[in-house]
Amino acid sequence: QQQVKQSPQSLIVQKGGIPIINCAYENTAFDYFPWYQQFPGKGPALLIAIRPDVSEKKEGRFTISFNKSAKQFSLHIMDSQPGDSATYFCAARGGTYKYIFGTGTRLKVLA
Amino acid sequence: KAGVTQTPRYLIKTRGQQVTLSCSPISGHRSVSWYQQTPGQGLQFLFEYFSETQRNKGNFPGRFSGRQFSNSRSEMNVSTLELGDSALYLCASSPRPGQGDEQFFGPGTRLTVL
Repeated sequence: QQQVKQSPQSLIVQKGGIPIINCAYENTAFDYFPWYQQFPGKGPALLIAIRPDVSEKKEGRFTISFNKSAKQFSLHIMDSQPGDSATYFCAARGGTYKYIFGTGTRLKVLA
Repeated sequence: KAGVTQTPRYLIKTRGQQVTLSCSPISGHRSVSWYQQTPGQGLQFLFEYFSETQRNKGNFPGRFSGRQFSNSRSEMNVSTLELGDSALYLCASSPRPGQGDEQFFGPGTRLTVL
């Protein structure tokens, strides 16, 4: 019940494409859903986040879609660029402010 | 504002030894969380400290311990190292639990156990 399932494990898209990464959770007590971007040799950096009372949030080229009834949320990257090549993690925060992370998606954007 | 700093950045130890890792949070942040990152298990929560008290703990054996000092700096210790402890150990800081949602991660300490 504490897991966050993330798919796919890896993704390759052409420049300008729209990669979509999906996450699913079970625990309805989760109250905050961030996405992190991690480059090799660096710590994860917050990209965008959403709360369960909102169905969509956009920040620049990044969009989160949230489906509360299905307990799923996804990250869309518009007009993807080679510089977006990184590992992306979804996460969910529980009521005790404990974060559970997905297993990560390695994205490669081809030039 | 300086980010989260972690020392050392790289560490090589042998089985059975112990290790201490250090984390300095962003100035003014009082909550520090530790995570273990491995290719197989991803990011796993170790523990969280706020005001020198452990508030949350993940599912790790007692060989993993931590503490937080009055200046919010935190250390984690792993005793009797095992090969499986090889990982990237990440520290994240936030202002305080529940105040501001964002966690800021440090660059991590890469621990290799031989």
